[in-house]
Amino acid sequence: EAQVTQNPRYLITVTGKKLTVTCSQNMNHEYMSWYRQDPGLGLRQIYYSMNVEVTDKGDVPEGYKVSRKEKRNFPLILESPSPNQTSLYFCASSLSKVETQYFGPGTRLLVL
Amino acid sequence: AQKVTQAQTEISVVEKEDVTLDCVYETRDTTYYLFWYKQPPSGELVFLIRRNSFDEQNEISGRYSWNFQKSTSSFNFTITASQVVDSAVYFCALSEGAGGSYIPTFGRGTSLIVHP
Repeated sequence: EAQVTQNPRYLITVTGKKLTVTCSQNMNHEYMSWYRQDPGLGLRQIYYSMNVEVTDKGDVPEGYKVSRKEKRNFPLILESPSPNQTSLYFCASSLSKVETQYFGPGTRLLVL
Repeated sequence: AQKVTQAQTEISVVEKEDVTLDCVYETRDTTYYLFWYKQPPSGELVFLIRRNSFDEQNEISGRYSWNFQKSTSSFNFTITASQVVDSAVYFCALSEGAGGSYIPTFGRGTSLIVHP
């Protein structure tokens, strides 16, 4: 089954404790991205990747890092989480930036 | 810069009513792609439709229809005979073509509540 998976689905952490949210897709997509969704703000892109070892900032990259060492995986790293990073995070993948994006189930993060 | 506006924050209807969700976009690119996604209460994002800027034909899929008008930069979504299961947040999105931004832009979403 074609899908995008994210782990964990729910996470409660404390300020400053490094965390990683994993994302994996099995569709051989080149384009992957991370979004955060906040009430009233819609989805805002954090980072995207055009292909392996090619990543770039989205609209709200501050406080986040990503890597793309393999085509299927695109982890999101919060080196020192802060409460303003409490949000719902989605990973997405697509064949290219103009193709339909397929979203993971979301990761709900609470930073205390 | 590209922009997507969904002016309706929340719409409330009674089952079987028709409802139209508005989407207005801005882009300088001549080649672009428009999308609608649905986010039901369970939280996942479900793709509904993709339309490129060269195809202005309206589309109908069951109770769903989309009206794309380049003259008014709008890509509106109509649900006919709404049902309770249509209750969700709906997002309109825009991606620019080659040479344009690599960052898709989403509207802020319209929350549709369908009452029984």
